[in-house]
Amino acid sequence: TQLLEQSPQFLSIQEGENLTVYCNSSSVFSSLQWYRQEPGEGPVLLVTVVTGGEVKKLKRLTFQFGDARKDSSLHITAAQPGDTGLYLCAGANYGQNFVFGPGTRLSVLP
Amino acid sequence: DAGITQSPRHKVTETGTPVTLRCHQTENHRYMYWYRQDPGHGLRLIHYSYGVKDTDKGEVSDGYSVSRSKTEDFLLTLESATSSQTSVYFCAIAGSYQETQYFGPGTRLLVL
Repeated sequence: TQLLEQSPQFLSIQEGENLTVYCNSSSVFSSLQWYRQEPGEGPVLLVTVVTGGEVKKLKRLTFQFGDARKDSSLHITAAQPGDTGLYLCAGANYGQNFVFGPGTRLSVLP
Repeated sequence: DAGITQSPRHKVTETGTPVTLRCHQTENHRYMYWYRQDPGHGLRLIHYSYGVKDTDKGEVSDGYSVSRSKTEDFLLTLESATSSQTSVYFCAIAGSYQETQYFGPGTRLLVL
């Protein structure tokens, strides 16, 4: 059974701070996605990474896929209150269903 | 944003009644999924579909059935609702290579 772990589970920081959240597995994935979910809404896709070692940037968010395609990180620079939410990672392999991590709940205080 | 809608968005029902939730997509994606999301459990797969009339069970399928008679619609039925099925239900879609899922806005279901 493929499992994804995320750390930390909860993170509360002040506006302007930097942070990194992690998504780890013992399994290899062909692609990995990061989502942000706000209360009362569905998860919204932030990025998909497919190549080992790949780095993608989305404004102040930097995503990295591990070389072995088993792990990923999300780094936020100068966090803002609008970054508050639940961050989910999900791994995918062709022909198999998606595997979701439990999420990291981020709170950015003004 | 991917064209996915769910209806109803909110529903309150009584134990023992059947309930049907609808997911509609305008993206012509092959795969459709139903998840439930509960505190402490994250997103759990109920059922999924890999084509019209092609469906299979996920990890928490007991008490649920699905149907997909058209590419764009995926229905989830709670045959006889129980309080343990109180949850937020999300529909998701993915293309043929299943690289990425896109989620609907969710249906909040309360079973009294």
